[in-house]
Amino acid sequence: GAVVSQHPSWVICKSGTSVKIECRSLDFQATTMFWYRQFPKQSLMLMATSNEGSKATYEQGVEKDKFLINHASLTLSTLTVTSAHPEDSSFYICSAASRRNSNQPQHFGDGTRLSIL
Amino acid sequence: GDSVTQMEGPVTLSEEAFLTINCTYTATGYPSLFWYVQYPGEGLQLLLKATKADDKGSNKGFEATYRKETTSFHLEKGSVQVSDSAVYFCALTRYSGAGSYQLTFGKGTKLSVIP
Repeated sequence: GAVVSQHPSWVICKSGTSVKIECRSLDFQATTMFWYRQFPKQSLMLMATSNEGSKATYEQGVEKDKFLINHASLTLSTLTVTSAHPEDSSFYICSAASRRNSNQPQHFGDGTRLSIL
Repeated sequence: GDSVTQMEGPVTLSEEAFLTINCTYTATGYPSLFWYVQYPGEGLQLLLKATKADDKGSNKGFEATYRKETTSFHLEKGSVQVSDSAVYFCALTRYSGAGSYQLTFGKGTKLSVIP
């Protein structure tokens, strides 16, 4: 089946550092990618939706200058957490979708655990 | 707007017990319905899906039937195993434009199966 690779799987860094997370679709063209944030013992919160070649659409309450999303190609999207602080510590999950497959709308990466000291 | 309501957990069962996790939804039109599973420290995996009323999705011994009259998609398994311990998310889709679909998730139900 379709595979989405997310990297890195775990990041620990100091407060003030910017962190980039990559999401790659390995065997299909991802026309849309989604970025989620998951707090402990909670559901996934959609942060933003990005379509290849256009600007991301952010959900209400998500700071676009804090969470920079780039979807420059049909196989790669990146999320950059700028000047990260301890409150940004969370589990971030990406997913990828293709126009051709609406029956399984999204394929998920394995997530990135971000810990800001 | 669309919403998904799942039974709250955690749910703790003995091995070989019967499992039911309730899920109801509110949506306009005719959404597709999904169950995703998340094992500790991992992302989400699609467990099963149903795309229209009365469809039954099944996988790895799990089943769920799309009930339009009760707007439900309850997850069941006849005999759970320790390896089924995970968090289960019910979800539905809505069209988000540009040919893609946005998922709306329930809050998740944590299942723990003890030997």
